[in-house]
Amino acid sequence: ETGVTQTPRHLVMGMTNKKSLKCEQHLGHNAMYWYKQSAKKPLELMFVYSLEERVENNSVPSRFSPECPNSSHLFLHLHTLQPEDSALYLCASSQLAGGGGETQYFGPGTRLLVL
Amino acid sequence: GNSVTQMEGPVTLSEEAFLTINCTYTATGYPSLFWYVQYPGEGLQLLLKATKADDKGSNKGFEATYRKETTSFHLEKGSVQVSDSAVYFCALSAPPNAGNNRKLIWGLGTSLAVNP
Repeated sequence: ETGVTQTPRHLVMGMTNKKSLKCEQHLGHNAMYWYKQSAKKPLELMFVYSLEERVENNSVPSRFSPECPNSSHLFLHLHTLQPEDSALYLCASSQLAGGGGETQYFGPGTRLLVL
Repeated sequence: GNSVTQMEGPVTLSEEAFLTINCTYTATGYPSLFWYVQYPGEGLQLLLKATKADDKGSNKGFEATYRKETTSFHLEKGSVQVSDSAVYFCALSAPPNAGNNRKLIWGLGTSLAVNP
């Protein structure tokens, strides 16, 4: 596999379920990101990990819990979600360098539906 | 603060028509500018970028020029194809010394439909 992969591609869950989204990057990058993409809204950055350390958490509800066990893997653990959490969840990675302007590489996303 | 404004869609064109999608920004300092494309059912992929004023990014027949004087980064293509149907996102990355963790600031996206 190359690039950034995400599993599952589609997920339907009830509000009381617990599930996890997985992201893996095969690019040797040192930063990983979770985004939420909802219709008619800008892309929302949820979490940023740099060198496996969380460097940004944009006021995301605690029912979303990220985990970055190593520089290649990123998880998003979900529990007691709400219907408004239904969206496309995108993972991205980049190689942070000193000058900025790094390109982010995206996975195909997980389409989540919360019933 | 930093922001990106891009024209609302949807944009519908016939094959071989000329495409312009406008993007303007506000930012401190000298940001890097990007166009990403999202094909149906897929994640975003980088289309082109420019990291300093007057740079022109180009890829797959698309072009955009970083215009500092008009704070713009408009996307153009001379002759679109049906396969260009997608959603196009303009984004900026402020320089790291602006205390922003170099996160991308995104526009809302412009949907393009090209008819045969």
